Amino acid sequence: ETGVTQSPTHLIKTRGQQVTLRCSSQSGHNTVSWYQQALGQGPQFIFQYYREEENGRGNFPPRFSGLQFPNYSSELNVNALELDDSALYLCASSVRQGTNEKLFFGSGTQLSVL
Amino acid sequence: SQQGEEDPQALSIQEGENATMNCSYKTSINNLQWYRQNSGRGLVHLILIRSNEREKHSGRLRVTLDTSKKSSSLLITASRAADTASYFCATGLQYNFNKFYFGSGTKLNVKP
Repeated sequence: ETGVTQSPTHLIKTRGQQVTLRCSSQSGHNTVSWYQQALGQGPQFIFQYYREEENGRGNFPPRFSGLQFPNYSSELNVNALELDDSALYLCASSVRQGTNEKLFFGSGTQLSVL
Repeated sequence: SQQGEEDPQALSIQEGENATMNCSYKTSINNLQWYRQNSGRGLVHLILIRSNEREKHSGRLRVTLDTSKKSSSLLITASRAADTASYFCATGLQYNFNKFYFGSGTKLNVKP
């Protein structure tokens, strides 16, 4: 157990809808990252939040947005869902300490867009 | 394109045998990490090797890093059926260490 929890575990949406995924970080972790993992692929970096501010973003459009709250829980919001957004969304928390962070992942939210 | 790529894509061995998987990457790194994923769920951190290290051990795991060849290998000795999972390498870049880039993974099947 990593102490990182994500909700919901599964979600089905239709194209054009909006979705919010939630993540509760491990206690004491001040950084949260979100990854998208398509079937059979490795996780792709979406963005990272450090002390409530976005601190790095991958190659994802602006309809992917996030929030980090003072208690270090986090949300990933996706607007105008597309079929290709169907994937496993992973949240990972970590402690910012120099350049050698280890990521602690939640079990993910499986999103299906129909 | 992917920063890190694992090889082979799939590996099937008998219990007790050793499993070796490789990772190649493209740009300078601060560190390289290996993660394991069971059945499409969350990833679990296995081991981190810094760019100035050449070899690291943790239990039955041995990781090597060759920065001149931009490659790493993960060796699992005396494999068990419970080692069946997908294994990913993740690179922390030298000048952008906020992001980690994962390869497509090696799917390991250990037959009892």
